[in-house]
Amino acid sequence: EVQLVDSGGGLVQPGRSLRLSCAASGFTFDDYAMHWVRQAPGKGLEWVSGINWNSGSISYADSVKGRFTISRDNAKNSLYLQMNSLRAEDTALYYCVKDRGSSGWFSGYFEYWGQGTLVTVSS
Amino acid sequence: EIVLTQSPATLSLSPGERATLSCRASQSVSRSLAWYQQIPGQAPRLLIYDASNRATGIPARFSGSGSGTDFTLTISSLEPEDFAIYYCQQRTNWPPSFTFGRGTKLEIK
Repeated sequence: EVQLVDSGGGLVQPGRSLRLSCAASGFTFDDYAMHWVRQAPGKGLEWVSGINWNSGSISYADSVKGRFTISRDNAKNSLYLQMNSLRAEDTALYYCVKDRGSSGWFSGYFEYWGQGTLVTVSS
Repeated sequence: EIVLTQSPATLSLSPGERATLSCRASQSVSRSLAWYQQIPGQAPRLLIYDASNRATGIPARFSGSGSGTDFTLTISSLEPEDFAIYYCQQRTNWPPSFTFGRGTKLEIK
């Protein structure tokens, strides 16, 4: 069974940093691209960032480019999101998501989702 | 950036009825479109990918159609558990970019 366990969220002041983690199990982690998708309270879904199997292809939404860094450790079956210079508009539930394609590259479809970790940016 | 417009914003139907949800893209996405279901308090679930392919474990009452700029998600006969929010999503593989529509809330009439 695929499991994605998100962690690392919390309350943080504007301008500070936070690192999210996702522990994956139930599938061969380095066969798949991974993503972070967020959802502001009461709002819709926004793709944040994606990384292919070997970290050779990384992409970000314009809203986080230059502030967020996605990474993965295939030996630890883990995905990360380093978030710097946080803003109030970054407040959201952040989901770790497994890409559908098994080639390790982006299929662009989000097949399995973690339970999410809540990030609140406020003074 | 490709914008996805979903309609209607809210759809009120009764169990057993047929639901038709629409998603329109601001430019052609070929068949690179997916649909997700989100029950409040839960993570989204992939229903349909590549416009018309059902994801693993998705019941046959869910079907997708369309290409280019106009897409439809149809639920042939609504079950109580189908009342939720539905999102469409497009993929652009190079440079990688993925956007969602704003959602259609399917509520019990």
